[in-house]
Parts: sequence; C-alpha cells; structure tokens
Amino acid sequence: AQTVTQSQPEMSVQEAETVTLSCTYDTSENNYYLFWYKQPPSRQMILVIRQEAYKQQNATENRFSVNFQKAAKSFSLKISDSQLGDTAMYFCAFTTGGSGATNKLIFGTGTLLAVQP
Amino acid sequence: DAGVTQSPTHLIKTRGQQVTLRCSPKSGHDTVSWYQQALGQGPQFIFQYYEEEERQRGNFPDRFSGHQFPNYSSELNVNALLLGDSALYLCASSPRGGGGNQPQHFGDGTRLSIL
Repeated sequence: AQTVTQSQPEMSVQEAETVTLSCTYDTSENNYYLFWYKQPPSRQMILVIRQEAYKQQNATENRFSVNFQKAAKSFSLKISDSQLGDTAMYFCAFTTGGSGATNKLIFGTGTLLAVQP
Repeated sequence: DAGVTQSPTHLIKTRGQQVTLRCSPKSGHDTVSWYQQALGQGPQFIFQYYEEEERQRGNFPDRFSGHQFPNYSSELNVNALLLGDSALYLCASSPRGGGGNQPQHFGDGTRLSIL
C-alpha cells in the first residue's frame, strides 16, 4: 500500500526564522511525484512545491525548498524567512507516474504551522 | 482566468437525505477529482472523472456517485447520508487527462454538515 506519514501534528516558528516540516512515504513504484500543499483557513489547497522522483536535484520555489532523499523515502519541506502568511496546514502528498497512471493524490495527515510575530 | 469553482460553499442536511455538490474545473482542464476531508485529517480520494466516465475510485461505498458533463463540469452525489459524511468536499481539476505528471488545482470546497 502507498502511504504518506507526517509525524509532526503542530509546529511553531518565529517570523523570519527557518522551519523544516517532515514527511516520509512508502511505495514500491519507481516513477512518482511528491508535493507539498498549503491549506490556510480559507480552505483552498494551494500547491507549494513539487518534486519528480527521477530528478536528483531538490526542488526550490523562492523561500520554499525540499530535501528529497529517495532511498530513505523522505521528503521534507524547508521554509526560509518565515512570514505570518505562511501560517497554515501543510500537507505532503504523493502520486504515481508512468503510462496510464492518474494523478490521484495520497495525502498525509498534515502539519499545522503557526508563525509567531 | 477563473479557477476551480464549487457550489454551494456550505450545506446542512439530516441523516438519510441525499445531497449533490457541484464543481466547474479551471479553464482548459478536462479531468475532475473529488476528495473528502474530515476535520483534522488529510483529504481522501473519492473518484476521478475523465471523458464523462469514472476512471478511478477510492475506498468509498456506492452511496457516493458522480457525473461529468460534456463541458467538463462535475457533480458529486451522496445518498442516505450518515453523520460520518460530515466533511469538507474538495474538487480538483487538471489538464490533459490528468496523468501522473499533471498538477491538480483545487477549489475552495463545500462544507457538508449532517445533523
């Protein structure tokens, strides 16, 4: 079975500091994609960053970067220079690739991040 | 460019009733997926529609059904509502048949409360 595990239910960080959110996953597939989504109180799920499993280089989007360790099946999110607007629930998610695969997402249980002023 | 739109935003029903939720995909998208997000949990995949057919289904009972129209919009129907069906229902759309490499764009969701 394919699963995603987020072991940190809640985290807190001071504004302008750096925080890392953890995620591990389990799959027997070799071709897959990993995502971090942000869900603020407004409810809309917003894509933060995406990583293709076949790429060794870690993805980066402005203040957001990932540490992708394929052998360890680990996919952590680092947020630099945290801002008050980063306060949200963060979900790690996974989908398989390959011919005929759909983009059905498997989500973790989420980490609630609070950025303190 | 309109994103994914869902209606209604909030709905209250009683046990045993039936409900229909609606979703219009982002312009240019042809694939719609539905997710159920219980309070404090991650979203769970219900099913995906492409070319007006259910292409993949998650672990949900037959009480959950759907439909996709020729304009790519979609409906989620839930019959014989149970208290446990109370959740946020998210619709997501993607382009080009929703292959594994296609990102999903989410709507704001419909909050369904069962009394």
